[in-house]
Amino acid sequence: AQKITQTQPGMFVQEKEAVTLDCTYDTSDPSYGLFWYKQPSSGEMIFLIYQGSYDQQNATEGRYSLNFQKARKSANLVISASQLGDSAMYFCAIEGNTPLVFGKGTRLSVIA
Amino acid sequence: EAGVAQSPRYKIIEKRQSVAFWCNPISGHATLYWYQQILGQGPKLLIQFQNNGVVDDSQLPKDRFSAERLKGVDSTLKIQPAKLEDSAVYLCASSLGIGTGYEQYFGPGTRLTVT
Repeated sequence: AQKITQTQPGMFVQEKEAVTLDCTYDTSDPSYGLFWYKQPSSGEMIFLIYQGSYDQQNATEGRYSLNFQKARKSANLVISASQLGDSAMYFCAIEGNTPLVFGKGTRLSVIA
Repeated sequence: EAGVAQSPRYKIIEKRQSVAFWCNPISGHATLYWYQQILGQGPKLLIQFQNNGVVDDSQLPKDRFSAERLKGVDSTLKIQPAKLEDSAVYLCASSLGIGTGYEQYFGPGTRLTVT
C-alpha cells in the first residue's frame, strides 16, 4: 500500500519569503509519481507540480520546485517569493500501480 | 478549454434519503475519478473509470454508493441511503490517460451535508 505523510498541519510565511512544505512517502512500487496540489478555500484542487521516480532532475514550475530525495523518500515542495494568493491547503500525493493517494495536507498562511 | 463540471455545488439531505451527483469531464479525457474529501483530510478515491469501464472501486461502499459512466463521458455518483458520515465534499476529476504522470484535473466539488 502507498502512504503519504505530511507532518505540518499549518505553516505561516511572510510575503515574498520562501517556504518548504514537507512530504514523505512510502511505496513498494518500483515506478511511481509524486504530485502536489493546491486547494484554496473555493475547494477546487489545482495541480502544481509532478515528479517521476526516475526523473534525474528535480521538477520546477515557475515559483514551485520539488526537492526530491529518493533515498529519504521525501518530496518537499518549495514555494519561492510567497504571495498572499498562495494561502491555501497543499496536498502531496503519490501514484504507482494503484491510483492517487493523498496526504492530510498542510495549511499555508501567507502574512503581509 | 472548459474544465470539469459538477452539479450541484451544494446539497443538504436528511439521513436515509438518496442523493445523486453529476460530473462532466474535460472533453477527450478517457479517465474519470470520484473522490470523497471529509473535512480536514485529503481526498480519498471512491471509483475510477477508464472510458465506461470500472478500473478501481475497491474503496466504494457498494452497499450504499453506486456510480456509472454511460457512453464514456458524463458520470453520476449516487448514495442511497445516506448516513451522517457521508457528509463530505465529493470531487470529480478527469485525466487523458491512466498510469503515472497523467495530471488529474478536478472539478469544483459538491458539498454534501447529511442531517
